[in-house]
Amino acid sequence: DAGVIQSPRHEVTEMGQEVTLRCKPISGHDYLFWYRQTMMRGLELLIYFNNNVPIDDSGMPEDRFSAKMPNASFSTLKIQPSEPRDSAVYFCASSSSGGPIDEQFFGPGTRLTVL
Amino acid sequence: GENVEQHPSTLSVQEGDSAVIKCTYSDSASNYFPWYKQELGKRPQLIIDIRSNVGEKKDQRIAVTLNKTAKHFSLHITETQPEDSAVYFCAARGEDDKIIFGKGTRLHILP
Repeated sequence: DAGVIQSPRHEVTEMGQEVTLRCKPISGHDYLFWYRQTMMRGLELLIYFNNNVPIDDSGMPEDRFSAKMPNASFSTLKIQPSEPRDSAVYFCASSSSGGPIDEQFFGPGTRLTVL
Repeated sequence: GENVEQHPSTLSVQEGDSAVIKCTYSDSASNYFPWYKQELGKRPQLIIDIRSNVGEKKDQRIAVTLNKTAKHFSLHITETQPEDSAVYFCAARGEDDKIIFGKGTRLHILP
């Protein structure tokens, strides 16, 4: 397995533009998590899904943020409109509840810069 | 909800010495405590974890201890090496399966 895949790896956009981040979890994993990492706030959980269903989105900062998981192999995190304070590294992670291992496997992250 | 505090935020130790990072959590129902290591520019990766029914776990030079009564857990790295330099995150998972991370500790191994 290639691990968790995220795209794009880097995104530079202007304030007000829509940004879409993409994630493909590890095949067979039933949990998917979106995190945001900044120097000031560390690693923040934004939202997580179980079997494609959003379970907890209390970490989503504002209505400008939305996330979907239309199927078991794909999720998106959308920011519309984007603002400079959204600049961060966004990680997607997946895990499986079916076995003894609870490890969350992180993707390489998307570094977002909003000018 | 769960809250995880991590100390110190920065730690410098001489190569060969030991490093200790401490975390506290607030939710007594939390049952799983992983530690992640993040090297510069890379993704966090699990290095060791412990469940609430165990007090200590070791894996070569790293060990984790858990005190459920006091709601704190610690990471111990012995005989530190240059490649141990990284940011380390503790985390706690509650019954809702949410994993909440501490703010991280930047560990510097001095030559």
